[in-house]
Amino acid sequence: EIVMTQSPATLSVSPGERATLSCRASQSVSSNLAWYQQKPGQAPRLLIYGASTRATGIPARFSGSGSGTEFTLTISSLQSEDFAVYYCQQYNNWPPGTFGGGTKVEIK
Amino acid sequence: QVQLQQSGPGLVKPSQTLSLTCAISGDSVSSTSASWSWIRQSPSRGLEWLGRTYFRSKWYNDYAVSVKSRITVNPDTSKNQYSLELNSVTPEDTAVYYCARKSVGLTFDYWGQGTQVTVSS
Repeated sequence: EIVMTQSPATLSVSPGERATLSCRASQSVSSNLAWYQQKPGQAPRLLIYGASTRATGIPARFSGSGSGTEFTLTISSLQSEDFAVYYCQQYNNWPPGTFGGGTKVEIK
Repeated sequence: QVQLQQSGPGLVKPSQTLSLTCAISGDSVSSTSASWSWIRQSPSRGLEWLGRTYFRSKWYNDYAVSVKSRITVNPDTSKNQYSLELNSVTPEDTAVYYCARKSVGLTFDYWGQGTQVTVSS
């Protein structure tokens, strides 16, 4: 099973600043990598798929990059509604399509 | 717009069967360009995919190794929904359970609202 490791576990950022989240796969997943945002009491929401393609309705301040085993989610200028937990997920080896442990983006 | 609406009990006794249903609107459980999954989330196990059902000229199922001996995911074409049954539950099965659609070539793009299921006597 492919293990997905996210870092850092918690990221403290001021509104308007840039946030950079990392995700590493234990083996290559090509570009079959997605990012989700989850707020308390809600289901995960798909942000990015194919490592860099924004899902429908996702603002341009969210961008994804990487391929193989190293991936990055960048939020260019954090808005108040962006403070949440972010998960990466690989779907190259599907099923099961494993998730990372999450990065919590909190207000500094 | 695809919507997934979950239903089912929030409390299950140990050794009994957890049963949840996911009603689909805006798509079909028989779609040949999607599969229909159950995923759970707990503090100890994180987000964990459990199983799926999908139709490609006939019905197929796949299950996670961790629950394979205890799980059944079934489609109900008459109601355009699908279900989860997890038997012989223990407190370790306590989690928020989600249904989710995975489009072919994509990943989980639509999710149900989640159901907190607690296993306790």
